[in-house]
Amino acid sequence: QVQLVQSGAEVRKPGASVKVSCEASAHTFNVYNMHWVRQAPGQGLEWMGWINPNSGVTNYAEKFQGRVTMTRDTSISTAYMELSRLRSDDTAVYYCARAQEVGSIDFDYWGQGTLVTVSS
Amino acid sequence: DIQMAQSPSSLSASVGDRVTITCRASQSITNYLNWYQLKPGKAPNLLIYAAVLLQGGVPSRFSGSGSGTDFSLTIRSLQPEDFATYYCQQSYTSPPTFGQGTKVEIK
Repeated sequence: QVQLVQSGAEVRKPGASVKVSCEASAHTFNVYNMHWVRQAPGQGLEWMGWINPNSGVTNYAEKFQGRVTMTRDTSISTAYMELSRLRSDDTAVYYCARAQEVGSIDFDYWGQGTLVTVSS
Repeated sequence: DIQMAQSPSSLSASVGDRVTITCRASQSITNYLNWYQLKPGKAPNLLIYAAVLLQGGVPSRFSGSGSGTDFSLTIRSLQPEDFATYYCQQSYTSPPTFGQGTKVEIK
């Protein structure tokens, strides 16, 4: 059973940055892309991008290009998502989600979510 | 991007009811359609993938159907733990996109 454990809630001021972590329990961390998805209050799910933990190659949604950076530390099976120049509408729960198969965009395991609140 | 239209946005049902949620894609996605269950404070749960395949560990009262542009998720006999919000998602092409969700509430 794969578990993805995310870091705790964060509060930031507009213009600041936030970095969320996602630690995977599985020895297969390097195999499957790790995606990030967010859900703003009262809104649906929004895909942000993915990172290949093995190569470090990333692919970001157009909306977040220039503001998001996804990285990983394979020695501790942890993926990171950093979002900069935060705005109030970035307030959301941020999830990491593992691809079900190599290269797929189906998500079989998710983290518990990290609430990021952007407020002055 | 492919748009996913989900309906209804919410519904009220009783334990034991049969519930159906529908999802329509803005273009054909063949069978690249997944269903997820979300509960507050918990990790989302993949229920159905490839439109009709039950993810391991998911109760058999959940089923999916459809292909092309029209899909549905059915819960055969609603249980107390099924009260949650359900989302469809297309995995036909990137970027993956989701429906707006269906909140299943207790009547």
